Amino acid sequence: AQTVTQSQPEMSVQEAETVTLSCTYDTSESDYYLFWYKQPPSRQMILVIRQEAYKQQNATENRFSVNFQKAAKSFSLKISDSQLGDAAMYFCAYRSALFSGGYNKLIFGAGTRLAVHP
Amino acid sequence: SAVISQKPSRDICQRGTSLTIQCQVDSQVTMMFWYRQQPGQSLTLIATANQGSEATYESGFVIDKFPISRPNLTFSTLTVSNMSPEDSSIYLCSSGTGYEQYFGPGTRLTVT
Repeated sequence: AQTVTQSQPEMSVQEAETVTLSCTYDTSESDYYLFWYKQPPSRQMILVIRQEAYKQQNATENRFSVNFQKAAKSFSLKISDSQLGDAAMYFCAYRSALFSGGYNKLIFGAGTRLAVHP
Repeated sequence: SAVISQKPSRDICQRGTSLTIQCQVDSQVTMMFWYRQQPGQSLTLIATANQGSEATYESGFVIDKFPISRPNLTFSTLTVSNMSPEDSSIYLCSSGTGYEQYFGPGTRLTVT
């Protein structure tokens, strides 16, 4: 079974600085998707970025980028120029790309709470 | 992306009662998902609802406790039955297009 591990329960960063959130996963599959979701205090889950395992190029969305290391099964999120609005809970998630006759479920890590200090 | 709404946004209920949560998607989708997020925890999938068929429940969740309806391609309900304080959680509806999955704003349930 696949597992997702986020080893940093809490992180903090100064406004305008850069922070990296860690995520590792365990799978025997070769084809899958990885995601980072943000959950602010409003509790709305917001998709931040996704990465397809078959792509070697790291995904980037504005100030958010990932460092995807497939052999190491590592998927970290880098937030550049941190803003106060980035303060939230961040969840790493995995989904298999294997056809299973249905819809493969998301498997979430435990989350990392990010605080942004002015 | 899909826009997902949920009702109610929050509720406080007495133990032993039931609450039905509604989820509406702004486009037709095949699969809808219901998650539970206990205080300070990550998300746990309760069940997957496919229109026109019985929902598929994850280990630890049963239909008698969490009955789900999926009457059409844009709507689903989750009922939390015979509630106890342990059911106090955020319940989130989710759906996706392709390989991306989007979430509703959640329903915060408190059972007293």
